[in-house]
Amino acid sequence: LAKTTQPISMDSYEGQEVNITCSHNNIATNDYITWYQQFPSQGPRFIIQGYKTKVTNEVASLFIPADRKSSTLSLPRVSLSDTAVYYCLVGLNTGGFKTIFGAGTRLFVKA
Amino acid sequence: GAGVSQSPSNKVTEKGKDVELRCDPISGHTALYWYRQSLGQGLEFLIYFQGNSAPDKSGLPSDRFSAERTGGSVSTLTIQRTQQEDSAVYLCASSLGGQGFWNYGYTFGSGTRLTVV
Repeated sequence: LAKTTQPISMDSYEGQEVNITCSHNNIATNDYITWYQQFPSQGPRFIIQGYKTKVTNEVASLFIPADRKSSTLSLPRVSLSDTAVYYCLVGLNTGGFKTIFGAGTRLFVKA
Repeated sequence: GAGVSQSPSNKVTEKGKDVELRCDPISGHTALYWYRQSLGQGLEFLIYFQGNSAPDKSGLPSDRFSAERTGGSVSTLTIQRTQQEDSAVYLCASSLGGQGFWNYGYTFGSGTRLTVV
């Protein structure tokens, strides 16, 4: 199971773009990369998932280089409500995420 | 239902007592997962159910923990003889599972906050 490494915390200001990078050197061929957002007292919420190159949805973009050993979650023009913990997960789509999520990255957006 | 529902939202129990935590997954989701999150920590995988297959129990921390899923829908996580270190938020998630559904990810419930005193 691929282990992931993320920064413990990041600070940003409203309106800025935030990029959070996750390292997953031991990613397996069949593994997908998924990012979740978690607010206090709530369960994690799916943000975006990808396998390679770039994926974009209405919330974020996910950049995955060719070697897939890292990925970057990009949040455009963050607001105060984006203050949360962001988790990077690597695992099989159908096998369930048995990988320990880890502490994630605590993003704090300031006014 | 519209989302994953967990009950109770909060549970305070005395050390040594048994507790049952309930999870109602999204209708039609064949896969169901239980996780545990201690204060300020990430999520720890506990158990995984997929359809009618035998559950993957590899994450259960001890034999005091068990879970079942009746009729492929509702799941109950049982902790026997609770200990103070069992205090955590227990989260349930469900997903469509199967190839081709990975775009939807996993939907989590709001969790049950268990406090063992």
